[in-house]
Amino acid sequence: GQSLEQPSEVTAVEGAIVQINCTYQTSGFYGLSWYQQHDGGAPTFLSYNALDGLEETGRFSSFLSRSDSYGYLLLQELQMKDSASYFCAYSTPLVFGKGTRLSVIA
Amino acid sequence: DVKVTQSSRYLVKRTGEKVFLECVQDMDHENMFWYRQDPGLGLRLIYFSYDVKMKEKGDIPEGYSVSREKKERFSLILESASTNQTSMYLCGTSPSGGAVTEAFFGQGTRLTVV
Repeated sequence: GQSLEQPSEVTAVEGAIVQINCTYQTSGFYGLSWYQQHDGGAPTFLSYNALDGLEETGRFSSFLSRSDSYGYLLLQELQMKDSASYFCAYSTPLVFGKGTRLSVIA
Repeated sequence: DVKVTQSSRYLVKRTGEKVFLECVQDMDHENMFWYRQDPGLGLRLIYFSYDVKMKEKGDIPEGYSVSREKKERFSLILESASTNQTSMYLCGTSPSGGAVTEAFFGQGTRLTVV
């Protein structure tokens, strides 16, 4: 079948680093993407990995291992505004995991 | 900036009504999607469209239909609304090119069926 697994909740301290893991199972795979959604807001795109390796965009990095059907989102220098839900998704079409709620505490 | 506009932010309908949710995008994207989002379940794909008049079922199409007569507009139709269709509905869009690399979403329509 098709599915994505990610932790439901993560809590981390302001200024720290947090990693959100995602494993997937699908018969057709183009790439893995990550989205952020604040409460009451729309999901917004963070990153996309088509090939194995690490992609860095500012404080956020995303990693993919196609052979392991695994990826992660790394958030550095955590800020309070990073408190949100984070979704991994594979394409195509775009199929989402259930999301990880990140709480950043002081 | 890509703009994806959903016609209503909040909607209350009665059981059995036919409900239309409208989505319009202004960036000439080929791909358009409809999802519903429920607590703890993430975003679940209802229907997607790769081009005008083309549609494909997603994971939960039962009770829904879609219409795409123009490239910029993708409508979700609840043929006979039921209380289990109370949810947040999100419309998304992405450029063409095989893989969906980046999607843009509207602000959502929170539908309550009473």
